[in-house]
Amino acid sequence: QKEVEQNSGPLSVPEGAIASLNCTYSDRGSQSFFWYRQYSGKSPELIMFIYSNGDKEDGRFTAQLNKASQYVSLLIRDSQPSDSATYLCAVNPGRGADGLTFGKGTHLIIQP
Amino acid sequence: DVKVTQSSRYLVKRTGEKVFLECVQDMDHENMFWYRQDPGLGLRLIYFSYDVKMKEKGDIPEGYSVSREKKERFSLILESASTNQTSMYLCASSPGLAGRLSYEQYFGPGTRLTVT
Repeated sequence: QKEVEQNSGPLSVPEGAIASLNCTYSDRGSQSFFWYRQYSGKSPELIMFIYSNGDKEDGRFTAQLNKASQYVSLLIRDSQPSDSATYLCAVNPGRGADGLTFGKGTHLIIQP
Repeated sequence: DVKVTQSSRYLVKRTGEKVFLECVQDMDHENMFWYRQDPGLGLRLIYFSYDVKMKEKGDIPEGYSVSREKKERFSLILESASTNQTSMYLCASSPGLAGRLSYEQYFGPGTRLTVT
């Protein structure tokens, strides 16, 4: 049974600080990993994807992947109140056009 | 920009009705997906399609069927709606693999379906 685990939160971070969101996955053969942001009542919006071990940076966002530990994380630098949302981790099992397996999300609150 | 549209944002249907949810994407993507999202359960894959007239079951296909007659359009059908199918339904599309290692999915705005 493929699983993606996230702490549901809420994770409260002061404005301007670094928010760290974590995700673990059970399928060792997973190929690629995605972070989505979802505002309340809205659909998920892709932030970043990563498929190689190490760090990938895009603006204030950094995705980190450690396949040996089956661990992926998202760092948000200089957190803003507009970053308050639920962040979904998603994993592609690597068998072709399969859908992604999603974690249940971490609710992030940035406190002004 | 990728655009995925869904036919309705909100829908209210009665138990036993046949329900059609439509999804259209404008980026010539090969793959299309239907998920449902419920509080505490997260996003769950219902069906997906990697080509016209092709379909594959996801994790929770029971009570649903799909149709993909054209590349840009993927329909979800609830043959006989039940109250436990009240949910947010999300359609997504992604490009084909074609030499890629990853294929990000883009979501439509969602349809909140209530079955009474």
